[in-house]
Amino acid sequence: GQQLNQSPQSMFIQEGEDVSMNCTSSSIFNTWLWYKQDPGEGPVLLIALYKAGELTSNGRLTAQFGITRKDSFLNISASIPSDVGIYFCAGPDAGGTSYGKLTFGQGTILTVHP
Amino acid sequence: GAVVSQHPSRVICKSGTSVKIECRSLDFQATTMFWYRQFPKQSLMLMATSNEGSKATYEQGVEKDKFLINHASLTLSTLTVTSAHPEDSSFYICSARYGLDTQYFGPGTRLTVL
Repeated sequence: GQQLNQSPQSMFIQEGEDVSMNCTSSSIFNTWLWYKQDPGEGPVLLIALYKAGELTSNGRLTAQFGITRKDSFLNISASIPSDVGIYFCAGPDAGGTSYGKLTFGQGTILTVHP
Repeated sequence: GAVVSQHPSRVICKSGTSVKIECRSLDFQATTMFWYRQFPKQSLMLMATSNEGSKATYEQGVEKDKFLINHASLTLSTLTVTSAHPEDSSFYICSARYGLDTQYFGPGTRLTVL
């Protein structure tokens, strides 16, 4: 099946620093989704990308859909303590009977020191 | 974004009892909902795909008789953990399919089986 390789696995940064994480795949995705999960909560959709080359921002977050359709990155600028959490990339499984099933990256655990 | 609720947020039960978890899409209709299980600091593990008006599709290794799924309406799916045992203790998260490829997640249910 499809796999997403997400890196880095974890990051420890100082407040105010910029953060970058990415996902790569050996197969093509037509959609890239980035979620953030706070401890004890469900994932929250941050940014959805539907077109190769698309660059989309949501406040301090920016994500891009790679031109090859096999990668995507998420940047967070000027990090703040509430950015702490686990960030997941995800993409829909290929195939007409997948009913929108998603493949998830392994997650990036972000820790922000004040 | 679209809102998905989940109830209860946490439940503690005795071994051998059954527990029902509800997942509702509050502001959109969801033909397809998904149930996930998540262990600490790990990615989401898909358990089953729930389609309104039809039987759920379970992932390999998930016991359909133990994890009963019902999707009786376009806004409600339920997961019943039957004859729960301590090894069933986990964080259960539902999501609802929005459009073709996007999923919105509920806040999760923490199940503890004593």
